[in-house]
Amino acid sequence: DTEVTQTPKHLVMGMTNKKSLKCEQHMGHRAMYWYKQKAKKPPELMFVYSYEKLSINESVPSRFSPECPNSSLLNLHLHALQPEDSALYLCASSQGGGSSGNTIYFGEGSWLTVV
Amino acid sequence: GENVEQHPSTLSVQEGDSAVIKCTYSDSASNYFPWYKQELGKRPQLIIDIRSNVGEKKDQRIAVTLNKTAKHFSLHITETQPEDSAVYFCAARPRSYNTDKLIFGTGTRLQVFP
Repeated sequence: DTEVTQTPKHLVMGMTNKKSLKCEQHMGHRAMYWYKQKAKKPPELMFVYSYEKLSINESVPSRFSPECPNSSLLNLHLHALQPEDSALYLCASSQGGGSSGNTIYFGEGSWLTVV
Repeated sequence: GENVEQHPSTLSVQEGDSAVIKCTYSDSASNYFPWYKQELGKRPQLIIDIRSNVGEKKDQRIAVTLNKTAKHFSLHITETQPEDSAVYFCAARPRSYNTDKLIFGTGTRLQVFP
């Protein structure tokens, strides 16, 4: 099973709303990632969790708040977003660690529209 | 910081022709180089990858070559088919990170005409 599952697939939210994106993997991976992708652009790294601890935060605004409840789950809490935050949000996972590079598997993404 | 450049940004070929996409990276310690294919509205899908201890890797119609001295790597697709039409992203993993953080290229939109 090489699946990374994301919910919801589509989300429309107002600028005053609070919502969450969810991600799950059962591959035993110890690194999980949130990427943001705008149209016609490459995925842009937001956060990395390694062994359930926040390892990398790419200077993401505080209106995005990640959470890793356990090694299989990753959430992204959204609050007071702006219309320019509308994008495809991709969750990914990999074995993590080591020096040789591990395959990163992407979920199908959550399409977010902020109105 | 680390950077990956990708060329061309768009590529149009006739069905059956070959397509080549090139990337260069800045961090000489990078050790892992995957290629992703992304169809419209879908997730990036890994199509092939290569590690720094290998110069070339092939999987059916797809091949990747790596030149560590020049710090560039290329994707070769032979006998292209219309279903190869998509955006292709190269990426590099800098060795300096404990996680598998990837630096992505800017993407190449490949169109294969029947």
